[in-house]
Amino acid sequence: QKEVEQDPGPLSVPEGAIVSLNCTYSNSAFQYFMWYRQYSRKGPELLMYTYSSGNKEDGRFTAQVDKSSKYISLFIRDSQPSDSATYLCAMSAEGSFGNEKLTFGTGTRLTIIP
Amino acid sequence: SQTIHQWPATLVQPVGSPLSLECTVEGTSNPNLYWYRQAAGRGLQLLFYSVGIGQISSEVPQNLSASRPQDRQFILSSKKLLLSDSGFYLCAWSPGRGNGYTFGSGTRLTVV
Repeated sequence: QKEVEQDPGPLSVPEGAIVSLNCTYSNSAFQYFMWYRQYSRKGPELLMYTYSSGNKEDGRFTAQVDKSSKYISLFIRDSQPSDSATYLCAMSAEGSFGNEKLTFGTGTRLTIIP
Repeated sequence: SQTIHQWPATLVQPVGSPLSLECTVEGTSNPNLYWYRQAAGRGLQLLFYSVGIGQISSEVPQNLSASRPQDRQFILSSKKLLLSDSGFYLCAWSPGRGNGYTFGSGTRLTVV
């Protein structure tokens, strides 16, 4: 079993729809949870960051963490064609010697249809 | 502000040739540095990480090696490339402890 599971998609939704992206994980030591957005042939960019459980909102994006269920979500409201990208979840536990080792999901490819 | 530079953007190399990919970070000191490989449909695979000059940890035994000759420089190398080394190579840096990574723009390597 992988430490982090993410549905690879692809996921296609019409413009303006609400998008829900999810990851599950098995390592209860994970405390830091991130979502990265990766456009084609580019490096991933950090989109959202949360620590422990709860919600975090940034504009049209909301990240949710449910540590009891080992489940994290990213919601995108009023989706735009520019949101078309691959979304990767990532998480880490406390590292040793200040090192932070992220464990990534495989990514979900999202397409917003105009 | 901090920036990360990675080059070249694209590289086509014959089997058996050497490889050297370079990554540099500006605007910070003593960063944690990482090399990842991303294969289509397989996600990000951590290859090497470094918490300081000369300190390299390998995650996956393979045909590659890494070095950190200076605080903000990280180099990925191979003496003889294999076809299976093809992929998208990403360098990243982190200040450590839950701050996430900042990735470079990546190098697409094709071994022919």
